[in-house]
Amino acid sequence: EVQLVESGGGLVQPGRSLRLSCTTSGFTFGDYAMSWVRQAPGKGLEWVGFIRSKAYGGTIGYAASVEGRFTISRDDFRSIAYLQMDSLKTEDTAVYHCNRIRYNAFDIWGQGTLVTVSP
Amino acid sequence: QSALTQPASVSGSPGQSITISCTGTSTDVGSYNLVSWYQHQPGKAPKFMIYEVNKRPSGVSDRFSGSKSGNTASLTISGLQAEDEADYYCCSYLSGRNYYVFGTGTKVTVL
Repeated sequence: EVQLVESGGGLVQPGRSLRLSCTTSGFTFGDYAMSWVRQAPGKGLEWVGFIRSKAYGGTIGYAASVEGRFTISRDDFRSIAYLQMDSLKTEDTAVYHCNRIRYNAFDIWGQGTLVTVSP
Repeated sequence: QSALTQPASVSGSPGQSITISCTGTSTDVGSYNLVSWYQHQPGKAPKFMIYEVNKRPSGVSDRFSGSKSGNTASLTISGLQAEDEADYYCCSYLSGRNYYVFGTGTKVTVL
């Protein structure tokens, strides 16, 4: 069974950092691009960023709202995707989902991990 | 890049058909046949429903169908069922810019 499990969320003060992990199983992780999508309380889904597989150059793309503050990486040996979040703002408070990308869409989703940025 | 525009809510009676629109611009929806749709029910992870405008992943009911005309994509749910109550989001991939943009989301209510 294909599974994505996010971890690393929690309460953090503005300006601080947090790293989320997406531990995967059930598929050949290195063959797929991975992505992060978030949902702020009471708001809609917002794409955060993605990282292509090494076969496609490992290209990374970010939403304008997080570019320069967030960094996506991957460990193909451990089948884990990461989201490093620096200089966090209160508006980054959200549930963060990791996704697998297939057909240029998000075909598998994790349950998400809650990040709360508050003084 | 602005969010794609969806109606805030759509409702219908069981058995009816409803259509959710997703309006973008010539630089996103209008330029690429890379629109996908997701169903999000409370407490669950979003579910992948449609990709490349009108293709259904394995396991998704054929009551769900997608289409596109110009800068507007649409999701139609036919034979509406109580279990279809959820929030629905469209998403467009801008392949030339390595960028994704979601729609504003539509709450579907089954009366």
